[in-house]
Amino acid sequence: EVQLVESGGGLVQPGGSLRLSCAASGFTFSTYWMHWVRQAPGKGLVWVSRISTDGSRIGYADSVKGRFTISRDDGKNTLYLQTNSLRAEDTAVYYCVRGSSMDVWGQGTTVTVSS
Amino acid sequence: DIQMTQSPSSLSASVGDRVTITCRASQGIRHDLAWFQQKPGKAPKRLIYDASSLQSGVPSRFSGSGSGTEFTLTISSLQPEDFATYYCLQHDSYPPTFGQGTKVEIK
Repeated sequence: EVQLVESGGGLVQPGGSLRLSCAASGFTFSTYWMHWVRQAPGKGLVWVSRISTDGSRIGYADSVKGRFTISRDDGKNTLYLQTNSLRAEDTAVYYCVRGSSMDVWGQGTTVTVSS
Repeated sequence: DIQMTQSPSSLSASVGDRVTITCRASQGIRHDLAWFQQKPGKAPKRLIYDASSLQSGVPSRFSGSGSGTEFTLTISSLQPEDFATYYCLQHDSYPPTFGQGTKVEIK
């Protein structure tokens, strides 16, 4: 079964950091571009970041550029999102998503930034 | 960035109704558009890809059409399990962008 399982979310104070992980299984992870998409409470879907199959092409939404870092470990079939200098507006469910047309989604991990 | 304008933002419909949701792109995106369904507390689920291709396992009452700048998701006969929020996504141009969503509610 194709599956993406996120972890690493939690409650963090403004200015803090979290490392989100996404464990992939059931498909050849190394052959897919991967994305992070987030959804603030009661709001719509917002693309956050992407990484190419070889990790050489990386992109970020302007709202997280310079604070978030996406990476992947194909040996561990895992996608990461290092989130630094977190702000209240980063509070959201973060989804790991497969491929350009986003055909497979994880269940999401919740990040809450609050003092 | 390409703006995706989805309409309506919400609608009320009855079981059995035909429902149409539209997404307009601020510039041409060929057929690089997908539609998603999201239920409360759940991850989005892809329904349609390449504007009109039905995702495996998705009921045939869902269909997509359009190309360029105007796209439509149609539910031919609304079922109780279809009450949800629907989003479009363009992935033709970086960065990928979503419509703001359409909430389909029970009339």
